[in-house]
Amino acid sequence: EGQLVESGGGLVQPGGSLRLSCVASGFSFRSHELNWVRQAPGKGLEWVSYIGASGITRYYADSVKGRFTISRDNANNSVYLLMNNLRAEDTAVYYCARVFNYLAFDMWGQGTTVTVSS
Amino acid sequence: IQMTQSPSSVSASVGDIVTITCQASQAFSGWLAWYQQKPGKAPKLLIYSASSLQTGVPSRFSGSGSGTEFTLTIRGLQPEDFATYYCQQANSFPLTFGGGTKVEIK
Repeated sequence: EGQLVESGGGLVQPGGSLRLSCVASGFSFRSHELNWVRQAPGKGLEWVSYIGASGITRYYADSVKGRFTISRDNANNSVYLLMNNLRAEDTAVYYCARVFNYLAFDMWGQGTTVTVSS
Repeated sequence: IQMTQSPSSVSASVGDIVTITCQASQAFSGWLAWYQQKPGKAPKLLIYSASSLQTGVPSRFSGSGSGTEFTLTIRGLQPEDFATYYCQQANSFPLTFGGGTKVEIK
C-alpha cells in the first residue's frame, strides 16, 4: 500500500528558513506527482505546492510563491519543501500528499508541524 | 476557482442522511474530490471525479454533481462518520479546498 513520512518541522523565528522532507515507501515513487498541503491550527486545508513526476513541472499557491521551493529526489524517494522568509501565517501542520486520479490525493503523510514565532 | 462549502456544521444522529454541498465560483469538469478528516489525523480520500468511490470506502458515501454544484451524501450515518469533510477542486491550479463541514452528534 505504501506510506509517506514527513519530517523537518519545528519552531522558527519570523524571516527564518526551514526545509521539510517527505520520504515515500511501498510504491513506485518516480511515477507519482506529489503535493504539499497545510492546515493552520483550527483551520481548513490549504494547498501549497505541486511537483510533477519528473520534477520539471511545479506550481505554488500565491501565498507562498517566491518564498517556498518544492523539489524531489527520485533516487531517494523523497520530496522536499524549502521554506524561506517564514511568516507567522505559515504556522501549520504540513502534509505531503500523493496524486491519484487527476489531482485528487489518495495518500497522505502524518504531517509535520511548523511554528513561526519569536 | 473558489469553493464554497455548506453548511459549515451539521448536527445529526446515527442513521440519518447528511448532505453537504460545494459550490464552485466557476464551472469545471467533474474533477472534484471529497475528504474526511478526524481530529489530529490526515485527511482521507472518500470520493474522486465527483462520484467515484475510493477503494475501501463504505457505500453509504456517495458523490454527485457537475458544473458549479457538487454534493456529498452520507446515507445511514454511523458513529465513525462524525468528522470534518472537505471538498477539493482537482481541475486546475491553484488547487482549492472548501472551508469544511463538521458533522457532529446531535
